[in-house]
Amino acid sequence: QLQLQESGPGLVKPSETLSLTCTVSGGSISSSSYYWGWIRQPPGKGLEWIGTIYYSGTTYYNPSLKSRVTISVDTSKNQFSLNLSSVTATDTALYYCARLASSGLADIWGQGTMVTVSS
Amino acid sequence: DIQMTQSPSTLSASVGDRVTITCRASQTISGWLAWYQQKPGKAPNLLIYKASYLESGVPSRFSGSGSGTEFTLTISSLQPDDFATYYCQQYNYYSGTFGQGTKVEIK
Repeated sequence: QLQLQESGPGLVKPSETLSLTCTVSGGSISSSSYYWGWIRQPPGKGLEWIGTIYYSGTTYYNPSLKSRVTISVDTSKNQFSLNLSSVTATDTALYYCARLASSGLADIWGQGTMVTVSS
Repeated sequence: DIQMTQSPSTLSASVGDRVTITCRASQTISGWLAWYQQKPGKAPNLLIYKASYLESGVPSRFSGSGSGTEFTLTISSLQPDDFATYYCQQYNYYSGTFGQGTKVEIK
């Protein structure tokens, strides 16, 4: 059974870079059938798409975040990662990683990791 | 960017009620529309994909319909486990935009 697990610091200072990793278990991140993505949810608010990556390294980013986001993949570790630069308090959110079927359909989610931006 | 608008934002209903949630896209998305259910403290759970296809394991009281820019999620007979927040999502071109969510509350 495929599982995803987010990991990374729970507290990041303003202007610094938020870095998270998603570890995939029970299946291969190199499957040609799926993409992998990051989605976030500020406290008490809705869901926001951050970006998508294929095992080959091809990426697609939310235009509103594109200038600050980098998503990468490490197939040897069965992991993909999120870097979000120049963070502010508005980047405080629960960050989810997900498996994406059919180009953007999030059919399996990690449990999420809370990241707070504060000095 | 494609914008997704859900209505209502909050819905009060009783067990056994038929419930309908609407989602409108700012431009046509064909049938690339999904519905998710989220309970407090949990990740969203996929219910419906491609507008009307029920994800495996999801109860048949959930159904989806629509095409183009207007879509609906219907719960035929609301059960206690269904009180949650529901999100629509357009998924196309390797990305996805979510609606703002509809919270289904106990009346």
